[in-house]
Amino acid sequence: AQSVAQPEDQVNVAEGNPLTVKCTYSVSGNPYLFWYVQYPNRGLQFLLKYITGDNLVKGSYGFEAEFNKSQTSFHLKKPSALVSDSALYFCAVRDMGAAGNKLTFGGGTRVLVKP
Amino acid sequence: NAGVTQTPKFRVLKTGQSMTLLCAQDMNHEYMYWYRQDPGMGLRLIHYSVGEGTTAKGEVPDGYNVSRLKKQNFLLGLESAAPSQTSVYFCASSSRQGAEGSDQPQHFGDGTRLSIL
Repeated sequence: AQSVAQPEDQVNVAEGNPLTVKCTYSVSGNPYLFWYVQYPNRGLQFLLKYITGDNLVKGSYGFEAEFNKSQTSFHLKKPSALVSDSALYFCAVRDMGAAGNKLTFGGGTRVLVKP
Repeated sequence: NAGVTQTPKFRVLKTGQSMTLLCAQDMNHEYMYWYRQDPGMGLRLIHYSVGEGTTAKGEVPDGYNVSRLKKQNFLLGLESAAPSQTSVYFCASSSRQGAEGSDQPQHFGDGTRLSIL
């Protein structure tokens, strides 16, 4: 069975500094990977995905993610964080063994960007 | 664009009561899902549906039932609510387009906050 781990419960960063949110995965076969963001009292919003191709994936709001097959990682990055990036971030992996485009989510990482 | 709409947004129940959560999507998506979100546990899939009239169990289905009589609606029922079902419930939908739909993101509603006393 596939799984996703987000080793940090919270990441604190100063505004303007680089932001990294870590994610590692375990799947059999090639992974389909996703990042979502959740703002307070809202549902999850899709940020970006890796299916195949370039290891560096660009997404919404200036975020990007780097796929590393040898390290089974898919870290989310932003070169210069904004206070408005403070939110809960989820990494997810597609369940390739079943119909229905099911996802397995990590436990989430709370990002706090301080002015 | 409404996207995915969940009703109600908040609800307080007593143990043993029943209720139904409604999810409606206007994107003509084939797939729909119900998740629960608990602190530190991410999102866990309760039930899902790959099309009208079909449903399947997810990771944590016990105590819940679902129905998808119309393509745009996915209902989640609690027959006899328990305090362990206090949670935030999210509905999501996604398209089947692309490589078997595998590359399509899920679109989420804003959740239903359910407290069971």
